[in-house]
Amino acid sequence: NAGVTQTPKFQVLKTGQSMTLQCAQDMNHEYMSWYRQDPGMGLRLIHYSVGAGITDQGEVPNGYNVSRSTTEDFPLRLLSAAPSQTSVYFCASMTGFKSGELFFGEGSRLTVL
Amino acid sequence: DAKTTQPPSMDCAEGRAANLPCNHSTISGNEYVYWYRQIHSQGPQYIIHGLKNNETNEMASLIITEDRKSSTLILPHATLRDTAVYYCIVRDPSGSRLTFGEGTQLTVNP
Repeated sequence: NAGVTQTPKFQVLKTGQSMTLQCAQDMNHEYMSWYRQDPGMGLRLIHYSVGAGITDQGEVPNGYNVSRSTTEDFPLRLLSAAPSQTSVYFCASMTGFKSGELFFGEGSRLTVL
Repeated sequence: DAKTTQPPSMDCAEGRAANLPCNHSTISGNEYVYWYRQIHSQGPQYIIHGLKNNETNEMASLIITEDRKSSTLILPHATLRDTAVYYCIVRDPSGSRLTFGEGTQLTVNP
């Protein structure tokens, strides 16, 4: 199994550009989430979804949009990128929100100039 | 979810046991303790979790004090590949979030 797959692995954007970070999982997990990790810091939750059609905000949702049209996919959209969004982004999934055992992707490193 | 406190860094000699402490003095009765680790810049990896009893799996052991206000993750025979940031998380299973703190940077030395 591939697990959690994130694309792209690296991306450079200019301020004001938009883009979508893709996340797909093949484990039929109900729960999916996006975290960001700034240099030398822990992970901060951006958005999460407890099932298809359901999304909610985490700790740092501003500047990001998400949707969950299928169980497998949970894309993260940056509508107008800012330098403060330079970070490493991790997508994670788990069986259900009661599980607590998150499976993480390899990360997407985003630089906004 | 209860807040956790971990030392920012620890060192351990290769082959020795690594004991990583975590304080969670405000933990409530239905909150579990979870441990994850993050090797270099990879995505975090689940290690183990428990409620009140000690737990052991192929990766580590988790010791939770009787009052549940603190816990210790034990890597019985640390190797260089165990060098990582270790995160202790306290979470109510009915909650929908896993909140990561700063963690402990464990360095295993040859």
